[in-house]
Amino acid sequence: EPEVTQTPSHQVTQMGQEVILRCVPISNHLYFYWYRQILGQKVEFLVSFYNNEISEKSEIFDDQFSVERPDGSNFTLKIRSTKLEDSAMYFCARTGNTGELFFGEGSRLTVL
Amino acid sequence: KQEVTQIPAALSVPEGENLVLNCSFTDSAIYNLQWFRQDPGKGLTSLLLIQSSQREQTSGRLNASLDKSSGRSTLYIAASQPGDSATYLCAVPALLYSGGGADGLTFGKGTHLIIQP
Repeated sequence: EPEVTQTPSHQVTQMGQEVILRCVPISNHLYFYWYRQILGQKVEFLVSFYNNEISEKSEIFDDQFSVERPDGSNFTLKIRSTKLEDSAMYFCARTGNTGELFFGEGSRLTVL
Repeated sequence: KQEVTQIPAALSVPEGENLVLNCSFTDSAIYNLQWFRQDPGKGLTSLLLIQSSQREQTSGRLNASLDKSSGRSTLYIAASQPGDSATYLCAVPALLYSGGGADGLTFGKGTHLIIQP
């Protein structure tokens, strides 16, 4: 059973369109994260989210990105105006009690 | 800025061999280190988490060691099996600002491991 469930598993969109990726943590934990992995490259940290607020973000997480937890359960990553270079796997993650990080299966985003 | 390097980038060995994967990081002020496994097109599966106060951690055929002062960790896989074929990733806290639970992880590029039957 995955620690977090991500939807959609794959999304294809046109450049300039808005995309929302969703994550549903199974356990009620406070820290959540978004990471991305461009094909063939390293997994990169985007943002951490604690107690319904952004806690830390990397230089990748610019004004095109936003995160929220609108209903107290789903955790979303929004990309406002997608670019070709946003094509990647996007992973949601949460921490366990010891600080161990658990990832979802990822959402593959393809921008055409 | 934290950087993580993993050596070798790829490794192919016959089934049954013991092997060692290496990870080095530039900022030794880490509070833990985590090893992951990634299968093609899949998410990351946590293998082992080593706290900074520990020198090693074991899970089944896997043993990970940590030497903070030298900025190194190794993942030892005993009696390798074809099912161990995957990419193995090492990750440490990025130490961006506040640290602690909010800190992101910095990953290496991974070691692509193939175990030949």
